[in-house]
This record gives sequence, structure tokens and C-alpha cells, in this order.
Amino acid sequence: GQNIDQPTEMTATEGAIVQINCTYQTSGFNGLFWYQQHAGEAPTFLSYNVLDGLEEKGRFSSFLSRSKGYSYLLLKELQMKDSASYLCAAGGGYGGATNKLIFGTGTLLAVQP
Amino acid sequence: DAGITQSPRYKITETGRQVTLMCHQTWSHSYMFWYRQDLGHGLRLIYYSAAADITDKGEVPDGYVVSRSKTENFPLTLESATRSQTSVYFCASSEGGEQFFGPGTRLTVL
Repeated sequence: GQNIDQPTEMTATEGAIVQINCTYQTSGFNGLFWYQQHAGEAPTFLSYNVLDGLEEKGRFSSFLSRSKGYSYLLLKELQMKDSASYLCAAGGGYGGATNKLIFGTGTLLAVQP
Repeated sequence: DAGITQSPRYKITETGRQVTLMCHQTWSHSYMFWYRQDLGHGLRLIYYSAAADITDKGEVPDGYVVSRSKTENFPLTLESATRSQTSVYFCASSEGGEQFFGPGTRLTVL
């Protein structure tokens, strides 16, 4: 089957570091995406990993291990505006067709002062 | 303005009525997608299109119809709305990588 698992909720403190984990099981996997979604808004793209390893982009980094079916999103120097839902999505679902994404249910991150 | 837009942003309708949600993108992206987002389910793909006149079903296509006569438009029609179709609907477009999402349409079926 096809499945994406990520924690439902997380809480962290402003200025701290938080890691949001995602495990996936899809047929025809061809990459892992992370999106940020503020309440009442559309998802916006954060990162994309196709090869194993860490991709760093400013305060945000994303890691992928294809052999383990595992990814994480690392947020450093947390700010209040980082309070949002973080969506993990595996590309290549639905039999490996490119551009189709299977989304997890999202992790709601609350950043506290 | 460039980008991806959806209309209407909010819609209330009654059970059994036909409803069409519009999606328009100005990037000439080949791929377009329709998702619905519900609490506890995340984003689920309804239909997608790889090019004009090419569409395919996603995870939850029942009760929905799509068309793509022009590259920039991808309307989604609920032929006979049901309460279970109350949701937030997002349109997205892509050219082989990340997907760009429209602002969403909040649909309520009474």
C-alpha cells in the first residue's frame, strides 16, 4: 500500500531547533517534498530531496534516506511565524507516475515564546 | 497577475446541485491537479492533468468531473453535490517538480 506517517502535533520554543519526522511507503518513489501551510492558507513549497542526504536552505534543512523510507525536516532558530502545519509528500505515487504526490496528514507545529 | 487563482473562494450550495470550481494558471505549466483537504485526511488527489485534453483519476475521483480544453484552465465540477463533499479544494500546477497551489475554495454543501 501507500502510506505517509508523520506526528500530528509538536510544540517547540522560540529560538530552539525542532525536527519533524516522516516515514513513507509508496510504489514508484521518486522524491520527497516538504510543504508549509499556515492556517487558512495554501501549502507553500519548502524543500525537495531525491537523493540520500541533507539539503540545507537557510534555517530549514531536509534529510532523506531512501533505503529506510525516512525523511525529516529540521527547523533552526525557530520564530513565532514558523507556527504552521508541515506536510510531507512522496512523489511518484500511483504506480510511479511522475508529478503525483501522496501527502501525509501534516504536523501542526506550535512555537511558544 | 501571474500565478494560480481559484474561484470562487467560498461557496455554499445545497445537496443535489451542480457546482463548478474554477482554476486558472498563467505559467503555462503542463501539469494541473485538484486536491481536497479534510481534517484527519490531509490533501487527497481528486484528478490530475498532464496536458490539455489529458486527465486521469487520483485517489478520490467519485462524484467529480474535470476537463482541460486549454492549458491554463482546469475546472472541477461536482455533478450532484453531497454533504460529504464539504471540504477545502486546492488546485495546483507544476512543470515537473514542486507543485504551486492556488488559494483554495471553501465549499459547504448543506
